[in-house]
Amino acid sequence: GAGVSQSPSNKVTEKGKDVELRCDPISGHTALYWYRQSLGQGLEFLIYFQGNSAPDKSGLPSDRFSAERTGGSVSTLTIQRTQQEDSAVYLCASSATGWDSNQPQHFGDGTRLSIL
Amino acid sequence: DQQVKQNSPSLSVQEGRISILNCDYTNSMFDYFLWYKKYPAEGPTFLISISSIKDKNEDGRFTVFLNKSAKHLSLHIVPSQPGDSAVYFCAASEDYGGATNKLIFGTGTLLAVQP
Repeated sequence: GAGVSQSPSNKVTEKGKDVELRCDPISGHTALYWYRQSLGQGLEFLIYFQGNSAPDKSGLPSDRFSAERTGGSVSTLTIQRTQQEDSAVYLCASSATGWDSNQPQHFGDGTRLSIL
Repeated sequence: DQQVKQNSPSLSVQEGRISILNCDYTNSMFDYFLWYKKYPAEGPTFLISISSIKDKNEDGRFTVFLNKSAKHLSLHIVPSQPGDSAVYFCAASEDYGGATNKLIFGTGTLLAVQP
C-alpha cells in the first residue's frame, strides 16, 4: 500500500503477557517513529529510527519496552510483561528523512492495545 | 510539563464560517510546527506545517500563523465544511535539520462544523 501499515489493528491480552506490534513504513522513508496515545491524551513519543544510526530511545517509558527495525524498513515494538497502564493506541509514523525537519511524518492507523 | 498546549478541548462553528484553532508552546527551541487532523479509529493526517523562519503558511482553505514572540500558533480554516469535523492536534519539533525531529503533541481540539 501507499501509506504506513500497522498490525494488528486491535490487540487484547492479559496482564503479564508479551506483545509485538508491527509497522511497515512508506516505501523509501528512512525515518520511522513510534508514538502512543493514551485515553484523553495527546500523542507521546516513544522511539525514533533514522537509517543506520542508533535509535533515539528517550521516550520509552520503561525497560519493558523495546523496538527494532530490520533492514531499514519494517519495525516491531515489543512490550514485555504488559501492565494495564500500557493500554493505549500505538501509532507508527514515517518520514522521507529525519535529517530535515521540513519532512512531515505520516502516520498509520495504529494498534489499539487493551490489557485485561 | 506540557510543552505544547491546546487549551480549548472543543470548538463548534457554523458551516462556511472561519474556524480558528489555537496552540501555545513553552519551549523556545521549537522551530518546526505542524497541524494534524484525526478522525476516530484512524491515524493523524498531516495538514500543514510552518518553520520558525516564517510567520504564515497557506494551503488552500488552511492557513497557519506563527507568533514566535508569543510562542503561539493558530490554524485557520475558511470556509469551514462539515467534513472538517475532527480532532486537530498541534505538534512541534525542536531540531530543525538536526539529528532527530521527534514531535511533541498537544492534547487536541475537537472541531465540530455544524451544517
